[in-house]
Amino acid sequence: DAGVTQSPTHLIKTRGQQVTLRCSPKSGHDTVSWYQQALGQGPQFIFQYYEEEERQRGNFPDRFSGHQFPNYSSELNVNALLLGDSALYLCASSPGPGQGSYEQYFGPGTRLTVT
Amino acid sequence: GQQLNQSPQSMFIQEGEDVSMNCTSSSIFNTWLWYKQDPGEGPVLLIALYKAGELTSNGRLTAQFGITRKDSFLNISASIPSDVGIYFCAGQDTDKLIFGTGTRLQVFP
Repeated sequence: DAGVTQSPTHLIKTRGQQVTLRCSPKSGHDTVSWYQQALGQGPQFIFQYYEEEERQRGNFPDRFSGHQFPNYSSELNVNALLLGDSALYLCASSPGPGQGSYEQYFGPGTRLTVT
Repeated sequence: GQQLNQSPQSMFIQEGEDVSMNCTSSSIFNTWLWYKQDPGEGPVLLIALYKAGELTSNGRLTAQFGITRKDSFLNISASIPSDVGIYFCAGQDTDKLIFGTGTRLQVFP
């Protein structure tokens, strides 16, 4: 049973550049959430995708955008990178709404460093 | 962003000892989750709690959903070296999880 996978593992970008991170959910899950985890802190919710639409969004600027594909995989895009965007980006998958489970399973994360 | 309060912030214990940590919120949650995170990796789900007052075990781990729905507790019995890591609580708020500040656990042989 494949768990949540993310790519790439590490990424180094320069201020002002754009980045795309990718996530494949756990088998049987159709909902994907993205979180940002700064060093020494707990993960912060960015947004969630279900049925290829954004269901809910956290307190992040429009520079953060996402997409979900028909196979339930998802991308997180960040434009005009700032130094403060350096963090571990986590993807979590869960069963769809109404399936009685709120358990979110996380991938290994993508470590983004902005210089 | 919003974070839940976890205590203690860190713990240094000897192998074999029991551990207790808690998580408090100013808001009510209908679901509480506990995760463990190792350095450079994603959080791993340990226990999920769905009902106020519920007590749930997973091996040496036991977690409780507080009666007020504003807190949760995690106990680890007979700690072992592989229990080292950061433990996070999380409350379910509609579609998103609100995470705690984390408790860092160190276990010495």
